[in-house]
Amino acid sequence: GNSVTQMEGPVTLSEEAFLTINCTYTATGYPSLFWYVQYPGEGLQLLLKATKADDKGSNKGFEATYRKETTSFHLEKGSVQVSDSAVYFCALSDPGGGADGLTFGKGTHLIIQP
Amino acid sequence: DAGVIQSPRHEVTEMGQEVTLRCKPISGHNSLFWYRQTMMRGLELLIYFNNNVPIDDSGMPEDRFSAKMPNASFSTLKIQPSEPRDSAVYFCASRLAGDVETQYFGPGTRLLVL
Repeated sequence: GNSVTQMEGPVTLSEEAFLTINCTYTATGYPSLFWYVQYPGEGLQLLLKATKADDKGSNKGFEATYRKETTSFHLEKGSVQVSDSAVYFCALSDPGGGADGLTFGKGTHLIIQP
Repeated sequence: DAGVIQSPRHEVTEMGQEVTLRCKPISGHNSLFWYRQTMMRGLELLIYFNNNVPIDDSGMPEDRFSAKMPNASFSTLKIQPSEPRDSAVYFCASRLAGDVETQYFGPGTRLLVL
């Protein structure tokens, strides 16, 4: 079956630090990959996505590259801000594998200190 | 445009009571998903509908859970009878037919069963 593994949190960084949140996946088909962000008290919002190998998704200074050879989709940002504090979820969609919906990782809680 | 609307936002009930969660998807979206979020298990897909028809309910934990979508603009998730282990945040998400990958999430219903 499909699965997504993320690094455990919380991750605590100082403002302007470099961020990496690791994500690896297993899938039976050819999945699309996503990062969703959840701010306190809110639902999940799509942050970025990539639909095929070597694609790079980017948004709001965040980037992630679809690496099929390492089955990874690590999230990066060069200089984080306090407003980036949230829970980040890596997810995959694999309708070709016989399943619809999204398979999520457990989430990584990011805390940015001023 | 209004996003996905869920009600109530918070629900506190006693064990054994019936709980009904409601969702209004984004107008024009033809797929609707119900997810449950807990600390232990993360985000889990419970059930999803395409064009108001339930497609996959394999994630529904047991017979106490049921979901309906009587029309394109409304869905319910019912728990009867509720148990303390049902305490979680329940999210509804919808998706446009032409964009099979991106789901739009509601703000969630935080359920506490005492």
